[in-house]
Amino acid sequence: AQSVTQLDSQVPVFEEAPVELRCNYSSSVSVYLFWYVQYPNQGLQLLLKYLSGSTLVKGINGFEAEFNKSQTSFHLRKPSVHISDTAEYFCAVSDREYGNKLVFGAGTILRVKS
Amino acid sequence: DAGVIQSPRHEVTEMGQEVTLRCKPISGHNSLFWYRQTMMRGLELLIYFNNNVPIDDSGMPEDRFSAKMPNASFSTLKIQPSEPRDSAVYFCASSLGGRFGNTIYFGEGSWLTVV
Repeated sequence: AQSVTQLDSQVPVFEEAPVELRCNYSSSVSVYLFWYVQYPNQGLQLLLKYLSGSTLVKGINGFEAEFNKSQTSFHLRKPSVHISDTAEYFCAVSDREYGNKLVFGAGTILRVKS
Repeated sequence: DAGVIQSPRHEVTEMGQEVTLRCKPISGHNSLFWYRQTMMRGLELLIYFNNNVPIDDSGMPEDRFSAKMPNASFSTLKIQPSEPRDSAVYFCASSLGGRFGNTIYFGEGSWLTVV
């Protein structure tokens, strides 16, 4: 069965510093990986996704993620964060065995401080 | 383009009352999902439909919950009778199904409080 582990529940960081949000997944077959962002009192918005091809995926708002099959990871990175990046970030996985539904991790709250 | 539209945005109801949450997916999308978000359990998939047919309802917590999709542009999630532990944010989402890895688009959520 699929599962997603987000290793950090909260990540505090100062503005303009780099950040990495960690995600590991478990699946027995080829996977599709996603990062979503949820701003306070809003729905989820897709940041980026990996389907195939290049393991480095670029998304919106300057975020990128790298798929590492050997480590079953899909960590999200941004070289310089802004106050406006404060939000909760969710890693998610889907695979052919389970159709196109998503299984989400527990989320990581990114707090950007000035 | 209009996104996924959910109503009501906020609902406060008394224990034992029936609650109906509504969803209009993005036009042309043929997969629809209902998720529940709580602090304790995070985001859980309750049920998903493909071409108006329920494909997987294994996440529906119990018989008090039911979901319908009478046509391609409308779905409901009903809780009867409601209990305080049902308090959560309920998200409807849709995607253009049939291809794995398609982006799932979420609505703004329905914030339910059962007192």
